[in-house]
Amino acid sequence: DAKTTQPNSMESNEEEPVHLPCNHSTISGTDYIHWYRQLPSQGPEYVIHGLTSNVNNRMASLAIAEDRKSSTLILHRATLRDAAVYYCILRESSGAGSYQLTFGKGTKLSVIP
Amino acid sequence: NAGVTQTPKFRILKIGQSMTLQCTQDMNHNYMYWYRQDPGMGLKLIYYSVGAGITDKGEVPNGYNVSRSTTEDFPLRLELAAPSQTSVYFCASSYRDGDHADTQYFGPGTRLTVL
Repeated sequence: DAKTTQPNSMESNEEEPVHLPCNHSTISGTDYIHWYRQLPSQGPEYVIHGLTSNVNNRMASLAIAEDRKSSTLILHRATLRDAAVYYCILRESSGAGSYQLTFGKGTKLSVIP
Repeated sequence: NAGVTQTPKFRILKIGQSMTLQCTQDMNHNYMYWYRQDPGMGLKLIYYSVGAGITDKGEVPNGYNVSRSTTEDFPLRLELAAPSQTSVYFCASSYRDGDHADTQYFGPGTRLTVL
C-alpha cells in the first residue's frame, strides 16, 4: 500500500500558484520523496524529487517539512496543461522496495480558465 | 530519442487468447518495468528487469510473463487472457547507478480489453 496521503482533488485558477500537499508520517530516513503527474490518457511523467532539502526545477518546487513527515509540491503559475493527477511517492534508496514506484490514487488537479 | 515506445496502442482480446505487448527504449537504460492501471486507480508493478537476462516479479505478476534478451526490449506476454486483465499497461525505463534515486520514463500505454 502507498505510504502517502493526498487530497482526492483540488482546483486552481489559471496563472495562480498551486500548493499540492502530501503527508508521509511513516517516512524513513533514507526514503526519497518523488512526484509524478499523469495527464489524461498519457503515461506518468516525472516532476521532481527530494530527500531533505527543498528542491526547484523548471517544472515545480518541492518544499519538505523539517521533520520530513509532509511535503508540498508547488506549481508557481498553473496553466491549463497542468491539469492532471499528481502522485506523491516514497522511494526507498536501496533494497527490493526501491525498484518500484508505488502509486496511490493521487490528487486530481483541475485548472479553471 | 523516441524514449519509451509501446505497441499496440489498443487491443481487444477474447477470453483465453494470448498476446505480447511490446516495449522498446532507446535511452540505454538498464532498468525496465511493466505496470498496469485499472480505471480510477494508481499503477501497480507487474514485472521489472535490472538488465538483459534478469527479470523479477512485482506486486501483481500472475497471468503474465516477461523476457529481457536485449537492453532495449522488454515484452510482456499474456497467456490465457481473462477479463480481470482488462487494463491500461505502461512500460517504463530508468537508469540506476547504485542507490541513486532514479527517474522512471513511461511509454504512452496499451489499452487492453478482454471480452
